Amino acid sequence: GNSVTQMEGPVTLSEEAFLTINCTYTATGYPSLFWYVQYPGEGLQLLLKATKADDKGSNKGFEATYRKETTSFHLEKGSVQVSDSAVYFCALSFNNNDMRFGAGTRLTVKP
Amino acid sequence: DTAVSQTPKYLVTQMGNDKSIKCEQNLGHDTMYWYKQDSKKFLKIMFSYNNKELIINETVPNRFSPKSPDKAHLNLHINSLELGDSAVYFCASSPWDRGPYGYTFGSGTRLTVV
Repeated sequence: GNSVTQMEGPVTLSEEAFLTINCTYTATGYPSLFWYVQYPGEGLQLLLKATKADDKGSNKGFEATYRKETTSFHLEKGSVQVSDSAVYFCALSFNNNDMRFGAGTRLTVKP
Repeated sequence: DTAVSQTPKYLVTQMGNDKSIKCEQNLGHDTMYWYKQDSKKFLKIMFSYNNKELIINETVPNRFSPKSPDKAHLNLHINSLELGDSAVYFCASSPWDRGPYGYTFGSGTRLTVV
């Protein structure tokens, strides 16, 4: 079936460090891919998305590129801040009503 | 102007009780969802409704019963609560067509069964 695998956390970084959170997917066909962020005590918020191969989604300094060859959608940020501390979820969807989420990766950024 | 709102935010109750969680969205979306998030943050889809009709019903005990009185509301009723039902329950909504639009989530209801 369709699924998403994320790198296990937790990930702990110092402020201004470079962030990569790995995400790979298994799917029949070419789904749309998403990253969501969940801040403590809140619901998930859509961070960025990409709909086809080589598309790059970006928002708030975060980027991810849809790589068909490696079935990946890794999340990156050049310089993290303490306020980026949250849980990040990779997800895929074909029809917008079948969203499948990865297990989440907790990021802690220390000053 | 909250887009997806859930009530209550916290719910503490005893085993065996029956409780309901309410969800409302003001985005004009056609589809609404219930997700369960466990203590390890894993998200599991429970139900989805499109315009008041059930379209996804994952393997969930039949003690859980969703109700959608109209496309802006999706409530979750839980009978005979068990300790294992303790979790955070999220409501979400999205447009029905292919998009991709992503989902808009509520802020969650933390259910604790004691």
